[in-house]
Amino acid sequence: GDSVTQMEGPVTLSEEAFLTINCTYTATGYPSLFWYVQYPGEGLQLLLKATKADDKGSNKGFEATYRKETTSFHLEKGSVQVSDSAVYFCALSTSGNTPLVFGKGTRLSVIA
Amino acid sequence: EAGVAQSPRYKIIEKRQSVAFWCNPISGHATLYWYQQILGQGPKLLIQFQNNGVVDDSQLPKDRFSAERLKGVDSTLKIQPAKLEDSAVYLCASSLGAKETQYFGPGTRLLVL
Repeated sequence: GDSVTQMEGPVTLSEEAFLTINCTYTATGYPSLFWYVQYPGEGLQLLLKATKADDKGSNKGFEATYRKETTSFHLEKGSVQVSDSAVYFCALSTSGNTPLVFGKGTRLSVIA
Repeated sequence: EAGVAQSPRYKIIEKRQSVAFWCNPISGHATLYWYQQILGQGPKLLIQFQNNGVVDDSQLPKDRFSAERLKGVDSTLKIQPAKLEDSAVYLCASSLGAKETQYFGPGTRLLVL
């Protein structure tokens, strides 16, 4: 079945450091790919998405590129802030009437 | 625009008791989802509604879990009787349609003792 694998956390970075959170997927067909973020005490929020190969999703300084050849959708940010501390989930949805399949999440802590 | 509302936010019960969660989706959203998020894992779909009909409940433990979406708006998820392993956050999400972006509520954190 469809699945998402993302790097284990927690990830601890200093403010202004470069962030990469790896995500790879297995899916039948051509999925849409998503990054969701969960800030402490809050619900899941869509961070960015990409619906076809080579698309780049971006939001709040975060970027991820849909790489079909490597079945990956790695999340990057050039300079993280303390306010980026959260849990990040990679997810996919295949075409048709299917729900999101999530990875296990990666906890990011940014220290000043 | 109001988001997805859920209540209660927290619930503590003893095993074998029953519990119910409520969700009010974003106005106009036809598709509603219930997810279970166990600590340290990603959310897992329990049930998906399209209007007031069930689209997918293949991962719902039907011997103890039930859900309904009367009139195609609000939804309730019930557990009866609860087990220790049901301790989790229960997330409700809604979308305009099945292929549209899902918007999540804050979740209900359940602890079964």
